Amino acid sequence: EIVMTQSPATLSVSPGERATLSCRASQSVSSNLAWYQQKPGQAPRLLIYGASTRATAIPARFSGSGSGTEFTLTISSLQSEDFAVYYCQQYNIWPPESTFGQGTKLEIK
Amino acid sequence: EVQLLESGGGLVQPGGSLRLSCAASGFTFRSYAMSWVRQAPGKGLEWVSAMSGSAGSTYYADSVKGRFTISRDNSKNTLYLQMNSLRAEDTAVYYCAKDAVPASLGVGYFDYWGQGTLVTVSS
Repeated sequence: EIVMTQSPATLSVSPGERATLSCRASQSVSSNLAWYQQKPGQAPRLLIYGASTRATAIPARFSGSGSGTEFTLTISSLQSEDFAVYYCQQYNIWPPESTFGQGTKLEIK
Repeated sequence: EVQLLESGGGLVQPGGSLRLSCAASGFTFRSYAMSWVRQAPGKGLEWVSAMSGSAGSTYYADSVKGRFTISRDNSKNTLYLQMNSLRAEDTAVYYCAKDAVPASLGVGYFDYWGQGTLVTVSS
């Protein structure tokens, strides 16, 4: 099983600043990586797929980069609605396997 | 507008069974693989099971293999998850999720999710 490790577990950033979230895979997943945002009491929302392609209606301040085992989600200028938990997910060996990271909580500093 | 509406969650005793349903609308259901993803209270996301659009192929996480059965009725635009031999560690919100690409087996990432249904396994 491919293990996805996200860091940090919690990130405190002020509104208007840049946030950088990391995700590492235990083995190469090529560019088969997605990012999701989840707010309390809500379902996850797809942000990025293919490591760097924004999903429909996702603002340009969200960007993804990386390939192989190291990936980054960057939010260029944090808005109040961006404070949430973010998950990475690999789908390189789909089917049958898909694994999520443990999440990074982005909180207001 | 794509909508996924889960139902069937509730409180069940260890060893018991439960059947979840996910009613889909707003897209050509039979063209998309569908998955169940769960989230234990205060924890992260765990993919549980998937089924191809044609209903010919099914996949399971090792943690539920042999206990859970995924199925779908394309004539009713509904996805199901039959959960047997439930354990305390199965307690979670169960989400129905639509694969992002209209391919039989999908690509493995999900562009629409339902709001989830809570399953609690406890005596």
